Amino acid sequence: NAGVTQTPKFQVLKTGQSMTLQCAQDMNHEYMSWYRQDPGMGLRLIHYSVGAGITDQGEVPNGYNVSRSTTEDFPLRLLSAAPSQTSVYFCASSYGGTTEQFFGPGTRLTVL
Amino acid sequence: DAKTTQPTSMDCAEGRAANLPCNHSTISGNEYVYWYRQIHSQGPQYIIHGLKNNETNEMASLIITEDRKSSTLILPHATLRDTAVYYCIVRVPVTGGSEKLVFGKGTKLTVNP
Repeated sequence: NAGVTQTPKFQVLKTGQSMTLQCAQDMNHEYMSWYRQDPGMGLRLIHYSVGAGITDQGEVPNGYNVSRSTTEDFPLRLLSAAPSQTSVYFCASSYGGTTEQFFGPGTRLTVL
Repeated sequence: DAKTTQPTSMDCAEGRAANLPCNHSTISGNEYVYWYRQIHSQGPQYIIHGLKNNETNEMASLIITEDRKSSTLILPHATLRDTAVYYCIVRVPVTGGSEKLVFGKGTKLTVNP
């Protein structure tokens, strides 16, 4: 199994540009989520999904959109990038409930 | 939502046990305690979780006090590769029966040669 994969690994955007961060998992997990981590901080939940077709907001959803059309994929969209969105983004998946979450390697995003 | 309090940083000598404390005095009866760690620049890695009984796996042991207001993660023989930020997390239930993890700032553990 590849586990949780994220693309791209690095990205530089200009203010106002849009882009999609990709996340995929091959473990047939129902639960997927997106976190952001700013320097020296813990992870903060952006959006999560408990299954295909179901998404919900986390702590810091503003400026981000998500969709979950398949079990495997959970893309994160930035519609109009802002410097405040400069961060490292982690995707995670799990069976849900009390099971462990598996994290991807992260996408390092810089918005100029 | 139950909050956790951890020391900002700790040091440990290589080969010795590392004991990482966590306070969660407002924990509810059905909330689990999870431990994750994050090695520099990588995604967090699950270590262990428990409800009220002590737990052990190949990575670590988790000791939860009888009143469940605090816990300790024990790495029995720390190595240099255990240098990481360790997060103590209380599971937060959300609608739909699934849970999300709320990460704090964690404890930066440095294992010294």
